[in-house]
Amino acid sequence: EVQLVESGGGLVQPGRSLRLSCAASGFIFDDYAMHWVRQIPEKGLEWVSGISKNGGRTGYADSVKGRFTISRDNAKNSLYLQMNSLRPEDTALYYCAKGDDFWSDYLGALDYWGQGSLVTVSS
Amino acid sequence: DIQMTQSPSTLSASVGDRVTITCRASQSISSWLAWYQQKPGKAPNLLIYKASILESGVPSRFSGSGSGTEFTLTISSLQPDDFATYYCQQYSSYSYTFGQGTKLEIK
Repeated sequence: EVQLVESGGGLVQPGRSLRLSCAASGFIFDDYAMHWVRQIPEKGLEWVSGISKNGGRTGYADSVKGRFTISRDNAKNSLYLQMNSLRPEDTALYYCAKGDDFWSDYLGALDYWGQGSLVTVSS
Repeated sequence: DIQMTQSPSTLSASVGDRVTITCRASQSISSWLAWYQQKPGKAPNLLIYKASILESGVPSRFSGSGSGTEFTLTISSLQPDDFATYYCQQYSSYSYTFGQGTKLEIK
């Protein structure tokens, strides 16, 4: 059974940093791209960032480019999101999601999602 | 970045109705489009990928069509479990985007 468990969220002041982690199990982690998606409570979904199977390719939403860094450790079956210079508008539930296409290095729909880690940016 | 526009934002319908949700891309995305269903307090659930391929385990009353810039999600006969919010998402480039969502409500 595929499981994705996010951790690392919490309350942080504007301008500070936070690192989210996602522990994956139930599938061969380095066979799939991985992504982060966020959702402001009661609002829509926003794709944040994605990373290819071996970590060589990454993508970012314009809203986080230059501030957030996605990475993965295939030996530890883990995905990370380093968030720097946090802003109040970064407050959201952050989901870790798995790419669905074994044959693709990066592009694919998102077929499994974690339950999310809440990040609140406030003074 | 590619913008995705869904319509309508809200849709009121009854059990047994046939409903269609539309998603338009700001530029061609070929068939690199997915549809998700989300219920309150839950993570999104993948329904359709590559515009028209039904994800395993998803009921056959759901279907997707389209290519290029125009896409539709159709539910052939609404069931009580289908009242939720639906999102389209493009994945044609290294920067993905979601539509703003369509909330399907009970009439």
